[in-house]
Amino acid sequence: DVKVTQSSRYLVKRTGEKVFLECVQDMDHENMFWYRQDPGLGLRLIYFSYDVKMKEKGDIPEGYSVSREKKERFSLILESASTNQTSMYLCASNLGQATNYGYTFGSGTRLTVV
Amino acid sequence: SQKIEQNSEALNIQEGKTATLTCNYTNYSPAYLQWYRQDPGRGPVFLLLIRENEKEKRKERLKVTFDTTLKQSLFHITASQPADSATYLCALDIIWSNDYKLSFGAGTTVTVRA
Repeated sequence: DVKVTQSSRYLVKRTGEKVFLECVQDMDHENMFWYRQDPGLGLRLIYFSYDVKMKEKGDIPEGYSVSREKKERFSLILESASTNQTSMYLCASNLGQATNYGYTFGSGTRLTVV
Repeated sequence: SQKIEQNSEALNIQEGKTATLTCNYTNYSPAYLQWYRQDPGRGPVFLLLIRENEKEKRKERLKVTFDTTLKQSLFHITASQPADSATYLCALDIIWSNDYKLSFGAGTTVTVRA
C-alpha cells in the first residue's frame, strides 16, 4: 500500500526554537507538498517541490523553509517557531501530473508552539 | 484573487438520504477538480477527480458533477450511512509552472444520523 509518512503525530515546541517536520513517501512521486490546516481556513499551501533540490513557494511561505535532498523526503523547517505557527501540518505527494489517483496525504503532525 | 467556497460548514442528514455538497470557485480556470474525505485528526483521502471536459463522474455511491460555466461542482452521497460522516473537501488543480498545485476549500462536515 502506498504511503506518505510524517515523522511525528504530535509535537510541542517552544517559541524561537528551530523545528523540523519530516515527510517520506514510498511511491517514487516527483511532487511533494506541505500544507497547514487551521479551523475555518482549510488547507493552505506552504511550499512544494516538483523535483529533487527544487522548491516553490506556496500561498503562505513566510516563516518556513523546505529541503528536498532526496526524491522520497521533503522536510519543512520552521526557522524560529512562533505561536501563530501552531497548526496541523500535512504532507502530500503525487505523480507529477493530475491523475485519477489524486494526492496522497500523510496523517499529519499537530504542532503546538508554546 | 482566487477563491473556493463550499456551501456550508455543516450538513446533517438522515441515514438513507442523499447528501449534496456544493463547491463554487471564482477567478480560476481549473483543469481538474478533486474531492477528498477527511476524518478527525487524519489527513485527507482522495475520493474522485473530474476533468474540465467531463460533466459527471461516479464511484459507488458517490457522484460528482462539474459545470465550468457556472464554476461549480456538486458532490452527492446517495443512500448515506453513518460511516459517511466526515469532512469533505473540494480542491482545484491550478496550473503552476510546468505542473499543478492543489488549492482547497474549507470543507463541509457531514453528519449522518442513524
